[in-house]
Amino acid sequence: GAGVSQSPRYKVAKRGQDVALRCDPISGHVSLFWYQQALGQGPEFLTYFQNEAQLDKSGLPSDRFFAERPEGSVSTLKIQRTQQEDSAVYLCASSFGQAEYEQYFGPGTRLTVT
Amino acid sequence: GQNIDQPTEMTATEGAIVQINCTYQTSGFNGLFWYQQHAGEAPTFLSYNVLDGLEEKGRFSSFLSRSKGYSYLLLKELQMKDSASYLCAVVGGATNKLIFGTGTLLAVQP
Repeated sequence: GAGVSQSPRYKVAKRGQDVALRCDPISGHVSLFWYQQALGQGPEFLTYFQNEAQLDKSGLPSDRFFAERPEGSVSTLKIQRTQQEDSAVYLCASSFGQAEYEQYFGPGTRLTVT
Repeated sequence: GQNIDQPTEMTATEGAIVQINCTYQTSGFNGLFWYQQHAGEAPTFLSYNVLDGLEEKGRFSSFLSRSKGYSYLLLKELQMKDSASYLCAVVGGATNKLIFGTGTLLAVQP
């Protein structure tokens, strides 16, 4: 596709359920980022991949959050035992290379935990 | 620590000019981005500054002063469609992650 795509666009989960959010970056983009955006706030960094290597996961809020990018393209962000404070929009962004700073964002997945 | 400040909300009139300020204190700096985000949509790129000075692109201009840790986004000839959140973000850290401010919600009134 021409841009970054994410699925699902909307997800409602009951507290305690596990969820998996998918990101398809722009083809050929080496760098992939996940951000969490709470209502009325700016996005906050979660984790970064360069190809299949997860080089920075310092923003993951707890060990319930896990991300992978096994083949260096599609990435999945998994949240185990969801809690209400996990409700947010999860944005994925990709860039061509590590020295290419402009990041292209996907539409996000809005997660609501009830 | 990392800190990026920008006003929470601004209001302006259609056809006018508005300036949105951003101040930052970050441990690393590889440039500053401005993104526009309409409600429920992805952030879209507006500008990138890495050197001091003014970058002009159509109705939008962005300014950077690295010594002062300061940037602004200038929007001219405002249109109703410019009503959106404007995000200031610094590229920092070894992995060039974006560190965002809270965003400035701009309302353009007729």
